Amino acid sequence: EAQVTQNPRYLITVTGKKLTVTCSQNMNHEYMSWYRQDPGLGLRQIYYSMNVEVTDKGDVPEGYKVSRKEKRNFPLILESPSPNQTSLYFCASSDRVRAQPQHFGDGTRLSIL
Amino acid sequence: AQKITQTQPGMFVQEKEAVTLDCTYDTSDPSYGLFWYKQPSSGEMIFLIYQGSYDQQNATEGRYSLNFQKARKSANLVISASQLGDSAMYFCAMKYNNDMRFGAGTRLTVKP
Repeated sequence: EAQVTQNPRYLITVTGKKLTVTCSQNMNHEYMSWYRQDPGLGLRQIYYSMNVEVTDKGDVPEGYKVSRKEKRNFPLILESPSPNQTSLYFCASSDRVRAQPQHFGDGTRLSIL
Repeated sequence: AQKITQTQPGMFVQEKEAVTLDCTYDTSDPSYGLFWYKQPSSGEMIFLIYQGSYDQQNATEGRYSLNFQKARKSANLVISASQLGDSAMYFCAMKYNNDMRFGAGTRLTVKP
């Protein structure tokens, strides 16, 4: 089954404790992206990657890191989380073909205390 | 910079009636794709419909149609014969240069 898998689905943690949200896709997609969703702001792009070892900043990259060492994986790293990073996070992937929609993971709800 | 605007934070519609959700976009790139997604209260993002910038006809998928007005840079979603299960957040998105941007969303509530 074609899917994007995020882990964990829920996490409550404390300020400053490094965390990683994993994302894996099994569709051999070149393009992967991370978004955060906040009420009234929609989905804002954090980072995206057009291929292995190619990553670029989105609209809200501050406080986040990513890596793309393998095509299927695109982890999101919060080196020193802060309460303003409390949000719902989505990973997505797609073909680079313009007409192809993005496939989304189920989301990760992070609470930073 | 490319931008997607959804000006309706919330909309109400009576069951079985049609509703239009607005979306405008801004890009200088001639090649782009426009998408609509539905997000029910369970949280997942569900792809609904796609329109390419070079497509001559408006896209349709079942009860969903996309009213594409290129000169006005608008891509409104029309839902016909609304159902209670259509109550959800709806996001407009634009794909260009292999990147994708989303609007802030519209919360649709279908009333019985």
